[in-house]
Amino acid sequence: QQPVQSPQAVILREGEDAVINCSSSKALYSVHWYRQKHGEAPVFLMILLKGGEQKGHDKISASFNEKKQQSSLYLTASQLSYSGTYFCGTDHYGGSQGNLIFGKGTKLSVKP
Amino acid sequence: DVKVTQSSRYLVKRTGEKVFLECVQDMDHENMFWYRQDPGLGLRLIYFSYDVKMKEKGDIPEGYSVSREKKERFSLILESASTNQTSMYLCASSLRANQPQHFGDGTRLSIL
Repeated sequence: QQPVQSPQAVILREGEDAVINCSSSKALYSVHWYRQKHGEAPVFLMILLKGGEQKGHDKISASFNEKKQQSSLYLTASQLSYSGTYFCGTDHYGGSQGNLIFGKGTKLSVKP
Repeated sequence: DVKVTQSSRYLVKRTGEKVFLECVQDMDHENMFWYRQDPGLGLRLIYFSYDVKMKEKGDIPEGYSVSREKKERFSLILESASTNQTSMYLCASSLRANQPQHFGDGTRLSIL
């Protein structure tokens, strides 16, 4: 079952904050976040493995609520370079195979 | 840095042809994946492999097969190409489960 991302698209001015949500109807083992710029390959941002875990680097962080079966990505003081489509990928089993189910993506546009 | 190389950036084939898409990774990763990406649908998993000669179906395997004879190479085969297989195809690899996936630049395949 594909996770649901919201919003589908968001437009920001430089310096504004954004939150992107990823919800699953099934129990989650882990959540991965990726960003894809136009015409480029998706690039890994972070993995959240434990319930309630919050990770981050620079001004991008994420939380994982195992009980609610959801994760949120927080972009603080957005920069032009944050523009792109953000995907969450969910792992429901934690097995050795490591396959993810990706959401449809959230398109983020940061304007000057 | 991990490098995932896909054999072609753009490919044009005719309906009914047998099409091979090649992917090579240079970091001794256990897991390899094939996705297709269509506007508004996100990344959908076609097949994945967690070991040499091992393969598992993803969410949309119909019309596709794969081959992994060597650890570094994962091939996607369209047995008899059809126009609804026109898409962007992305290959990825990860060291093991719950490790970051590294993506190739993609192959934009058009079936005429």
